[in-house]
Amino acid sequence: DQQVKQNSPSLSVQEGRISILNCDYTNSMFDYFLWYKKYPAEGPTFLISISSIKDKNEDGRFTVFLNKSAKHLSLHIVPSQPGDSAVYFCAAKEGTSGSRLTFGEGTQLTVNP
Amino acid sequence: DTAVSQTPKYLVTQMGNDKSIKCEQNLGHDTMYWYKQDSKKFLKIMFSYNNKELIINETVPNRFSPKSPDKAHLNLHINSLELGDSAVYFCASSRRLAGVTDTQYFGPGTRLTVL
Repeated sequence: DQQVKQNSPSLSVQEGRISILNCDYTNSMFDYFLWYKKYPAEGPTFLISISSIKDKNEDGRFTVFLNKSAKHLSLHIVPSQPGDSAVYFCAAKEGTSGSRLTFGEGTQLTVNP
Repeated sequence: DTAVSQTPKYLVTQMGNDKSIKCEQNLGHDTMYWYKQDSKKFLKIMFSYNNKELIINETVPNRFSPKSPDKAHLNLHINSLELGDSAVYFCASSRRLAGVTDTQYFGPGTRLTVL
């Protein structure tokens, strides 16, 4: 039973445009959400996070939106750059489970020059 | 300086062998983890240790045995390797165990191939 799902395995956008990566979850106990970015042959690196008490968190070109009623979050990257090309993983935590992260299967973003 | 390092990066071995993957973090973190990324690309937690104490032990065959000699190291030993063990294994660490907002830092991964 996959509690975090990223239904788009890949996304291709033009440089300068907006990239929108989506993530859905089923566990209503999740209260903290994260996005990780992964380049080939490297480990995932933390990008941005959001607590369930917020609906938006922004960090430079990256913004994460959370819609709790829909159990949906999205990552917006604007403007997209070729260096953003990577696999993006959505992850979620329950407060009571402490450190256990549940990951989605990832979305490969390709930003074309 | 590499924050979380793993050795080896690649490991190719025969079925039935025993192998170990080592992980070290120089971040001064209390908590370390092992994740497995299977062929479907899902990253799934296997174990977590906090100050050398086993905290999370997911439904993992007992052929997998983590060992934490100190809080900076968490090694993964795998006995009697099977074809299905082929995957990429990631080590990670975080400052605290129960800190919901604590970021986990990942190592580069070890690609294990069992022939």
